[in-house]
Parts: sequence; C-alpha cells; structure tokens
Amino acid sequence: DAGVIQSPRHEVTEMGQEVTLRCKPISGHDYLFWYRQTMMRGLELLIYFNNNVPIDDSGMPEDRFSAKMPNASFSTLKIQPSEPRDSAVYFCASSSQGVDRQPQHFGDGTRLSIL
Amino acid sequence: AQSVAQPEDQVNVAEGNPLTVKCTYSVSGNPYLFWYVQYPNRGLQFLLKYITGDNLVKGSYGFEAEFNKSQTSFHLKKPSALVSDSALYFCAVRAPGDYKLSFGAGTTVTVRA
Repeated sequence: DAGVIQSPRHEVTEMGQEVTLRCKPISGHDYLFWYRQTMMRGLELLIYFNNNVPIDDSGMPEDRFSAKMPNASFSTLKIQPSEPRDSAVYFCASSSQGVDRQPQHFGDGTRLSIL
Repeated sequence: AQSVAQPEDQVNVAEGNPLTVKCTYSVSGNPYLFWYVQYPNRGLQFLLKYITGDNLVKGSYGFEAEFNKSQTSFHLKKPSALVSDSALYFCAVRAPGDYKLSFGAGTTVTVRA
C-alpha cells in the first residue's frame, strides 16, 4: 500500500526563484496537511485541506506561500519568491475520516535549501 | 489551547535496557494522544495512540505508552531497547473533534550497543 509521496526529495535553488513542492496523499484519505520542520521552530502546521478545500491556512507564514489541491490525489505548496529563511524540510501528511481519532501519515519530506 | 511538553531533549540508554520517553500535555477536555518516530531523512511514522479505554496502549516495534490522566502524562516505553530504536520521537495531542495536532519539540533517543 503506497504511502504519502512527496517530490522532489531535495531542492536547492537561489533566492527569488519560485519553488513548487508536490504531494500525493494516500488514496481515500480526505484530509491533507502541509508542515514545515526546522531546528528552531520544530514542526509547524502551514495549511490543511478537507475534501480538496483549504480549511485553515493560518499557519502560512506570508503571502509568498500558497497551496492548492486541484483533486483528491494531488497537492502543491508554492513559494514565490523564495528567501533563505524558507530553508526547511516540508512534509505533507494525509488522514482519513474521523480525523481527530486517526493518525496522520507523513511523506518523507522535501528538504529545501534557498541560497 | 493545547500543548505538549517533552522535558528531555535527549535520552541515552544501553541496548537491552528499558527505554522511557516522557510526555506531558495540556488540552481542554479528554485528550487524543499520539506518538510518532522519525528516522534520519524520513517522515514521521505513527507508533501508537490513545483515544479511550485501557490506559496502557501497545503499538508498533514493541513500544507501549501509559496514559495518566491525573498527571496529564503519556510516557512512551519499551522494555528492552535496540540500537535500531535510535531516532527522534514526537508526542502529539489533539482535542476531540479538532483537526489540529500539536506536537512536542521531540526527544532524540540514542541506544548504544
């Protein structure tokens, strides 16, 4: 059974460039979450979707960040323009109905480095 | 607001010895509690959860956790640690009906041979 799939696994780019991170959730899962992990701030929830609709984006740090979920099997997190402080590991996670009782299943993340 | 505290940044144990990773929580109402493990360059993997029922919860890889309501704790335990248990462990809590999972800062476990 395939887990959450993220791409790319690593991304190195220069400041000011657009970055797009991709996520394929587990089939049948209704909830999708984007997290950012840094040494300083730990795990931060950026945004979450339910049935492809963004429900809470209060964790998105700035207008430079945007996320979409055009269908049940695909989501993107975009940073434009990117800055060095955006360097982090970005995780996507998905969960099934009864989200409060169900664990979230994480992808292996995208390690983003902005030079 | 809900929160989780993992008071130890690091735990070091010898292989074969018991392992305990501490977690305390704060939440309105009855908590839903989770433990995750993260290996280098990997995502978080679910270990176990407490929703209701028996205070002792058994999970993957021989781990278990004990829910203690009076102490608001949910400590992770393993009777006999393995070198392969060396990883970063996260405790997490959410309130019933809430989507948001609040994570602790994580505890790095090192098991020496």
